[in-house]
Amino acid sequence: DTAVSQTPKYLVTQMGNDKSIKCEQNLGHDTMYWYKQDSKKFLKIMFSYNNKELIINETVPNRFSPKSPDKAHLNLHINSLELGDSAVYFCASSLRRVVYGYTFGSGTRLTVV
Amino acid sequence: AQTVTQSQPEMSVQEAETVTLSCTYDTSENNYYLFWYKQPPSRQMILVIRQEAYKQQNATENRFSVNFQKAAKSFSLKISDSQLGDTAMYFCACHYGNNRLAFGKGNQVVVIP
Repeated sequence: DTAVSQTPKYLVTQMGNDKSIKCEQNLGHDTMYWYKQDSKKFLKIMFSYNNKELIINETVPNRFSPKSPDKAHLNLHINSLELGDSAVYFCASSLRRVVYGYTFGSGTRLTVV
Repeated sequence: AQTVTQSQPEMSVQEAETVTLSCTYDTSENNYYLFWYKQPPSRQMILVIRQEAYKQQNATENRFSVNFQKAAKSFSLKISDSQLGDTAMYFCACHYGNNRLAFGKGNQVVVIP
């Protein structure tokens, strides 16, 4: 059973389009995250939700909007995609206090052409 | 802001040999957790080992062990008896706040047969 499931794994789209990435976890965790990994492999937090409440909202263009319908799901919607949005986006989940670290999804490689 | 520094961008090691990856971090937390994650070519982020800062004993997980020096804020990872499957990018991470992880830039480890 997949613990943190992200879809799609690959996404190729044209500039200006709107796209969504979905994430679901079945670990019973109450906190979920979106991280962006750039071309140099650097991982940077974007958002975090705890029990459907947004608790971390880093400096990210407002074209990026997370949505958490319940504590097991966290989606990321991106409007008006730009070339610079090309990256790998990771969803992750954890307990509220990160004692055991995060469990990551397999990532979504987004390519904007 | 929390910072995590990994200074050896790429390392090669012969199969069955030992390799050590260095990591230093900066945190103002009193109680925190440290992690090493592995990212093989499959892109999946895999937790390798974790250390609780209030425990003096260094964590070990099979062939992976850490040397945790709290006063020096140092958290190195030793991979013993390296195997081909250990070829991956390794990320050091420090927890801060309630649930954030700050990641280093990663070390690429290549195990040579």
